[in-house]
Amino acid sequence: EAAVTQSPRNKVAVTGGKVTLSCNQTNNHNNMYWYRQDTGHGLRLIHYSYGAGSTEKGDIPDGYKASRPSQENFSLILELATPSQTSVYFCASGDWDYYEQYFGPGTRLTVL
Amino acid sequence: AQKVTQTQTSISVMEKTTVTMDCVYETRDSSYFLFWYKQTASGEIVFLIRQDSYKKENATEGHYSLNFQKPKSSIGLIITATQIEDSAVYFCAMSVASSSFSKLVFGQGTSLSVVP
Repeated sequence: EAAVTQSPRNKVAVTGGKVTLSCNQTNNHNNMYWYRQDTGHGLRLIHYSYGAGSTEKGDIPDGYKASRPSQENFSLILELATPSQTSVYFCASGDWDYYEQYFGPGTRLTVL
Repeated sequence: AQKVTQTQTSISVMEKTTVTMDCVYETRDSSYFLFWYKQTASGEIVFLIRQDSYKKENATEGHYSLNFQKPKSSIGLIITATQIEDSAVYFCAMSVASSSFSKLVFGQGTSLSVVP
């Protein structure tokens, strides 16, 4: 069964609203990541975490917060959603810092 | 800064043939890791294979293999005996050991179409 799951899979939000995207992994990996994928930009790193209680900024953190309450769970929070945050969001987990990451199925977010 | 470039936007091949997808990378680091991922039509991103920069042998995994040419900063993905279900977008990616965290830098992707 899938080792990295995301919820919801699809989300429509209104501008200015709060959105929380959730990710759960059963790989027992220390590292977790949030990416967004947009046509023309590929995959870009938003936030990452080395373990429970830690969050770090990636390349495009503005407008996003992250939370890692446990080894298994990593959330991405959009406090005030904007149409420019319409995208597909992927969560990933990884065992060791420089080795491969394993991705969840993605969440398609539309901000109207 | 690290950069990964995939110049082939799309490729179409006949089923059961061999295909090679190109990828070149830029880094000043002596230790780095190269990856290939596959993104299916449903959007799922699947890890396929990894090459460690310090290893001279080309990595292989099932019907996937790599052509690692370090002097040319090139890491090609070879798929033998292609199947219809290999149709997908393939991404090359890199991480470097000297960075403070394991950031993956992705190429723009190559769309592969396998036709009967």
